[in-house]
Amino acid sequence: AQSVAQPEDQVNVAEGNPLTVKCTYSVSGNPYLFWYVQYPNRGLQFLLKYITGDNLVKGSYGFEAEFNKSQTSFHLKKPSALVSDSALYFCAVRVTDSWGKLQFGAGTQVVVTP
Amino acid sequence: DVKVTQSSRYLVKRTGEKVFLECVQDMDHENMFWYRQDPGLGLRLIYFSYDVKMKEKGDIPEGYSVSREKKERFSLILESASTNQTSMYLCASSFRSTSSPRYEQYFGPGTRLTVT
Repeated sequence: AQSVAQPEDQVNVAEGNPLTVKCTYSVSGNPYLFWYVQYPNRGLQFLLKYITGDNLVKGSYGFEAEFNKSQTSFHLKKPSALVSDSALYFCAVRVTDSWGKLQFGAGTQVVVTP
Repeated sequence: DVKVTQSSRYLVKRTGEKVFLECVQDMDHENMFWYRQDPGLGLRLIYFSYDVKMKEKGDIPEGYSVSREKKERFSLILESASTNQTSMYLCASSFRSTSSPRYEQYFGPGTRLTVT
């Protein structure tokens, strides 16, 4: 079975500082990994995905994620956080042998202070 | 741009009522999903449909049923609403691709359901 863990319920960062949101995964076979963001009272928005290829994946709104196979991690990063990045972030992994189901982590609340 | 719409943003129902939540997507996606989102629990899959009239139970199907009569529309039904079904309900859709891994799901804005 596959799973994802987001070890931090909340991440606090000052505006302009680097932002990192952690995700570790467990999956048999090749992992397909995703990051989503949810703004208050909205649905989830797709940020980026790792399927294969370069370990550094670039996505929307200046976000990127680093895939590390040996550490089974897929951390989301942004070099300089904005107040508008305050939101709930979800990591997800494709469910093996499914038609496209994803297993989501519990989410990490990011708070960026001015 | 992919668009997934849900019939209501906010809904208040009474215990025992039958509740219908509807979801429509305009991208010709084969897959459609219903999740519920509760604080600290992330997203939990209720039901999944990979084709018209086809459905598969997710992690928490009890108390729910679904209907998919047309490719673009996926309905979630609460047969007899209970207070523990008060939650945010999210619909999503995606391609069912075996040759190109376009697995990302696209979400609707959500329906916040309160059962009193």
